[in-house]
Amino acid sequence: DQQVKQNSPSLSVQEGRISILNCDYTNSMFDYFLWYKKYPAEGPTFLISISSIKDKNEDGRFTVFLNKSAKHLSLHIVPSQPGDSAVYFCAASEGTSYGKLTFGQGTILTVHP
Amino acid sequence: NAGVTQTPKFQVLKTGQSMTLQCAQDMNHEYMSWYRQDPGMGLRLIHYSVGAGITDQGEVPNGYNVSRSTTEDFPLRLLSAAPSQTSVYFCASSYSGQGFGGNTIYFGEGSWLTVV
Repeated sequence: DQQVKQNSPSLSVQEGRISILNCDYTNSMFDYFLWYKKYPAEGPTFLISISSIKDKNEDGRFTVFLNKSAKHLSLHIVPSQPGDSAVYFCAASEGTSYGKLTFGQGTILTVHP
Repeated sequence: NAGVTQTPKFQVLKTGQSMTLQCAQDMNHEYMSWYRQDPGMGLRLIHYSVGAGITDQGEVPNGYNVSRSTTEDFPLRLLSAAPSQTSVYFCASSYSGQGFGGNTIYFGEGSWLTVV
């Protein structure tokens, strides 16, 4: 049973436009959500996170929105740049994680110049 | 500052062979964990450790052993390799005292394992 789902395997956008990556979860005990970015042949790197007590968190070009009632979160990248092309993973944890994350399947983002 | 170091980067094993994936971190992190990444599955937790001498199972522990004799090292052992263990393996480490924050989880660069 996939507790964190990213239903779009891939997304293609034009440079300068907005990229919106979506993530759904089923476990209501999750209280912390993260987005990781991964380039080929590298490990995931942290991008942005949000606690369940918030509905929005912003960091530069990246904004994460959380809709707890819908168990849905999204990552907005504005404006998108070719260097943003990577695999994006949504992840979630409950309570004190001890480094335990539940990941979605990932979405491949391609930003065209 | 090396961060999280995994070895080997690439390995081909025959079915039934055993091997150990090494993981070391130099950040004095208490928490360490191993994930595997498979196509269409994201990353799944294999085993984790909250400190030296303490380990526990994650989501997909079967076929793997871990031990944590020091804070720095967290090796992952494949006891009898099977083709289903063909995957990319990531080691990760994180702080404990700050509460949970994603930016304190550091991943290694990955180990590509093929079992034939």
